[in-house]
Amino acid sequence: EAAVTQSPRNKVAVTGGKVTLSCNQTNNHNNMYWYRQDTGHGLRLIHYSYGAGSTEKGDIPDGYKASRPSQENFSLILELATPSQTSVYFCASGEKRLGAYEQYFGPGTRLTVL
Amino acid sequence: GDQVEQSPSALSLHEGTGSALRCNFTTTMRAVQWFQQNSRGSLINLFYLASGTKENGRLKSTFNSKESYSTLHIRDAQLEDSGTYFCAAETLPPGTGSNRLTFGKGTKFSLIP
Repeated sequence: EAAVTQSPRNKVAVTGGKVTLSCNQTNNHNNMYWYRQDTGHGLRLIHYSYGAGSTEKGDIPDGYKASRPSQENFSLILELATPSQTSVYFCASGEKRLGAYEQYFGPGTRLTVL
Repeated sequence: GDQVEQSPSALSLHEGTGSALRCNFTTTMRAVQWFQQNSRGSLINLFYLASGTKENGRLKSTFNSKESYSTLHIRDAQLEDSGTYFCAAETLPPGTGSNRLTFGKGTKFSLIP
């Protein structure tokens, strides 16, 4: 059974609209992450969280907000979506166990901003 | 420049043969994770290494933190190995209890029929 799920799996939005991407994990991990994947760039970290109520900026946070209301849920919010935010978004969870911080990824959300 | 340089960008192998993928790090990294992204786009965990070598089936990975590189060896390549392989280097931001991953740009692997 999938431990990291994302919704929606596909989304088409209009420029200037608000988009919320949701992530849920059943791993009971403290840490959660949002990445985007674009051709030629691999995955890049947008925001991450080390527990409920916390959010931290990653490498490319501009234009995105994050919310971690609970251990299980982590949302990525695009207040004013732009075409440059068209991408595939991945959520991940992880925490330190026996010295290792292995991350586990969800299936991804394909977002198109027209 | 990029912190994680992954090579080659593409690799084609005949079934049953093998090769190595490499990631070079421009700064000291604490650990490395390797992933396979399959045709559906899912990221599959292959290895997590803070040092040394791990092996799983036909895959073997090594992380040399002193010389700032990691390798992934594929032997006896099969169709199910197709996809894109990513390395991701780990750092630990102070005060968060979390890690951060910086990904390479990936190696697109395909099997030559």
